[in-house]
Amino acid sequence: GAVVSQHPSWVICKSGTSVKIECRSLDFQATTMFWYRQFPKQSLMLMATSNEGSKATYEQGVEKDKFLINHASLTLSTLTVTSAHPEDSSFYICSARDYGQNNQPQHFGDGTRLSIL
Amino acid sequence: AQSVTQLDSQVPVFEEAPVELRCNYSSSVSVYLFWYVQYPNQGLQLLLKYLSGSTLVKGINGFEAEFNKSQTSFHLRKPSVHISDTAEYFCAVSEGRGSTLGRLYFGRGTQLTVWP
Repeated sequence: GAVVSQHPSWVICKSGTSVKIECRSLDFQATTMFWYRQFPKQSLMLMATSNEGSKATYEQGVEKDKFLINHASLTLSTLTVTSAHPEDSSFYICSARDYGQNNQPQHFGDGTRLSIL
Repeated sequence: AQSVTQLDSQVPVFEEAPVELRCNYSSSVSVYLFWYVQYPNQGLQLLLKYLSGSTLVKGINGFEAEFNKSQTSFHLRKPSVHISDTAEYFCAVSEGRGSTLGRLYFGRGTQLTVWP
């Protein structure tokens, strides 16, 4: 079945560091990818919708300069947390939708646990 | 925007007992409905989906759900649970048209804990 690979799975870094998270669709083309943030014991909060070749659409309250999203190809989207601080510590999950498969299920990556010290 | 309500934040059950996880949504347009399962420190795995057709949907791991349009519900059921079913379960809705195509709205999740 369709697979979405997310890397890294865990990252621990110092405050002020920028961290890049990659999301790859391994066996399908994804014109649209989604980035979510999940706090402990809570649901997924959509941060932004990433469209290949264009600017990402950010949800209200999400700082676009803080969370940089790049979707340079049909199989790769990246989320960069710039100048990360402890409050950015969270579980980040990406998902991808198969090109042309409108409203077919999104395929989710396994998430990235980000811990800022 | 959609609203998805999962009425129970935690559901403890004994092994081999039946379980129902409840989900209600608010929408005046056609929707697509999903149940996902999340194990600790992992992403989401699709259990089942309703897109159209039969309102009773069967998924993986013995789960099924029934779409009830009049009650705007999509409750998840399993007749006999296993310890390995212990996980967080999320109900999600996607609208069927317009600029929101593909966007998922999630409920808050239900932690299912199966005891021996």
